[in-house]
Amino acid sequence: DAGVIQSPRHEVTEMGQEVTLRCKPISGHNSLFWYRQTMMRGLELLIYFNNNVPIDDSGMPEDRFSAKMPNASFSTLKIQPSEPRDSAVYFCASILTGDYGYTFGSGTRLTVV
Amino acid sequence: DQQVKQNSPSLSVQEGRISILNCDYTNSMFDYFLWYKKYPAEGPTFLISISSIKDKNEDGRFTVFLNKSAKHLSLHIVPSQPGDSAVYFCAASAGGSNYKLTFGKGTLLTVNP
Repeated sequence: DAGVIQSPRHEVTEMGQEVTLRCKPISGHNSLFWYRQTMMRGLELLIYFNNNVPIDDSGMPEDRFSAKMPNASFSTLKIQPSEPRDSAVYFCASILTGDYGYTFGSGTRLTVV
Repeated sequence: DQQVKQNSPSLSVQEGRISILNCDYTNSMFDYFLWYKKYPAEGPTFLISISSIKDKNEDGRFTVFLNKSAKHLSLHIVPSQPGDSAVYFCAASAGGSNYKLTFGKGTLLTVNP
């Protein structure tokens, strides 16, 4: 298995633009997590899906952020409109329920200018 | 309010010596704890975990100790190797059917040859 695959690796966009981050979890994993890493706040959970259903989105900062998981092999995190304070590294991770050892993707480094 | 705290942003040790990374938590509901290791430009990778019913778990050079009364855990690496140089994150879960992890901000370990 190629692991958790995130795209793009880097994204630079202008304030106000829409940004879409993508994640392909490990085949067979049924829980998917989106985390954001910043210097100030460390790794924060944004949203967590189980069997494609959002279970906990309490970490989504505001309505500008939305996430979907249309099927077991794909998830997106969208920011519209983007702001400079959204600049961070966004990680996707997946597990098979029962196993806490997340497998993380390599992350997407987002820069909003 | 940070529920998982790693108070040392960085630690430097000599190759062959012991590295001790510390982590404190405040949430009494946490009952499962993990350590992750992260190299630059990569996602965190799972290293070792411990359940609250234990006070020690060992895996090769890595040992995690849990002191529930003090709400403290530590990761010992013996002997330390230059390849261990990375950021180490402590994480905790409240367990049950909730698989979301709360992470500390990380400690940068540098092992000098």
